[in-house]
Amino acid sequence: EVQLVETGGGLIQPGGSLRLSCAASGFTVSSNYMSWVRQAPGKGLEWVSVIYSGGSTYYADSVKGRFTISRDNSKNTLYLQMNSLRAEDTAVYYCARGTSFFLWGQGTLVTVSS
Amino acid sequence: DIQLTQSPSFLSASVGDRVTITCRASQGISSYLAWYQQKPGKAPKLLIYAASTLQSGVPSRFSGSGSGTEFTLTISSLQPEDFATYYCQQLNSYPITFGQGTRLEIK
Repeated sequence: EVQLVETGGGLIQPGGSLRLSCAASGFTVSSNYMSWVRQAPGKGLEWVSVIYSGGSTYYADSVKGRFTISRDNSKNTLYLQMNSLRAEDTAVYYCARGTSFFLWGQGTLVTVSS
Repeated sequence: DIQLTQSPSFLSASVGDRVTITCRASQGISSYLAWYQQKPGKAPKLLIYAASTLQSGVPSRFSGSGSGTEFTLTISSLQPEDFATYYCQQLNSYPITFGQGTRLEIK
């Protein structure tokens, strides 16, 4: 089955770090354009980052310098390393596949709070 | 950054109605626009890409049109499962941005 499964969310204190994982099945992560999108509670969608098949990466200004997108080809998994977390990073984080995001995971909730 | 403004933000309609949601971009984005449907507690679902191309498996009552700065999503005959929140998204340039959403509720 072609799917994405995010893990790694949880409660973290401001200033802390967390790494999200997005495990893919049924296709190869490294051959695809893969993105992270987040949604704060009760709010709209916010694009966070993208990694191209060639390895190029882009970030939203709100996370640039704090978040890093990467992938492990041997594990067919996408990652989002989140450092210096702030309360405003609290959201459900989704990974998505494709230039138009045609496949999404179920999301993982990150709560930044003391 | 390219801003996307959806109208209306809230829409109340009945089963069988024809509804149109508009998305306006702050600058031209050619046809690099997608539409998503999201239901509570669920991930968004791609409906339309490249402004007017229906994603595989999406019912034909959904259609998209437009280019440049003005785009529309039309549902020709609302079904009960269509009541959800709809977002437009531009993929013309970084940062990728979404509209604020249109919540479609049952009248």
